Amino acid sequence: DQQVKQNSPSLSVQEGRISILNCDYTNSMFDYFLWYKKYPAEGPTFLISISSIKDKNEDGRFTVFLNKSAKHLSLHIVPSQPGDSAVYFCAASALSGAQKLVFGQGTRLTINP
Amino acid sequence: DAGVIQSPRHEVTEMGQEVTLRCKPISGHDYLFWYRQTMMRGLELLIYFNNNVPIDDSGMPEDRFSAKMPNASFSTLKIQPSEPRDSAVYFCASSLISTSSKDTQYFGPGTRLTVL
Repeated sequence: DQQVKQNSPSLSVQEGRISILNCDYTNSMFDYFLWYKKYPAEGPTFLISISSIKDKNEDGRFTVFLNKSAKHLSLHIVPSQPGDSAVYFCAASALSGAQKLVFGQGTRLTINP
Repeated sequence: DAGVIQSPRHEVTEMGQEVTLRCKPISGHDYLFWYRQTMMRGLELLIYFNNNVPIDDSGMPEDRFSAKMPNASFSTLKIQPSEPRDSAVYFCASSLISTSSKDTQYFGPGTRLTVL
């Protein structure tokens, strides 16, 4: 059972436009959400996070939105740049298991020049 | 800091052989995690340690998998005997928990395991 789902395996966006990556979760105990970015032959690196007490967190070109009622979060990248081409993983954790992260399957984002 | 170090980077072995993956966490970090990445399931947590003690091994798929952390600077993930379905990329990650927030995990470059 996938508690965190990224239903789009891939996404292609033109440079300069907005990229929107989506993530759904099923466990209502999740209270902290993260996005990680992964380049080929490298490990994932932390990108941005959001606590369940917020519905939006922004860091430069990256914004994460959280809709708790829908159990849905999204990552917006604007404007998209070629260097943003990577696999993006959504992750979640519950208060009870502070360090235990549950990851989604990942979405491969390709930014076209 | 050198970051999380994993070895080997690539491992090709035959079914039935023993495989040992190694990890050196970031100095001073008190949590260590082992993950497996596959196309179908994404990143799965296998086991994690706190101060060298295994906390949760519920993600370890079978008894063929075992992990140890003999000291704060070294951990191993062993598969014995290996099977073709174990082929995946295995990541090690470490973190340091602050009292104010949940800190992020820092990942190593991974070990790509191929079992023939």
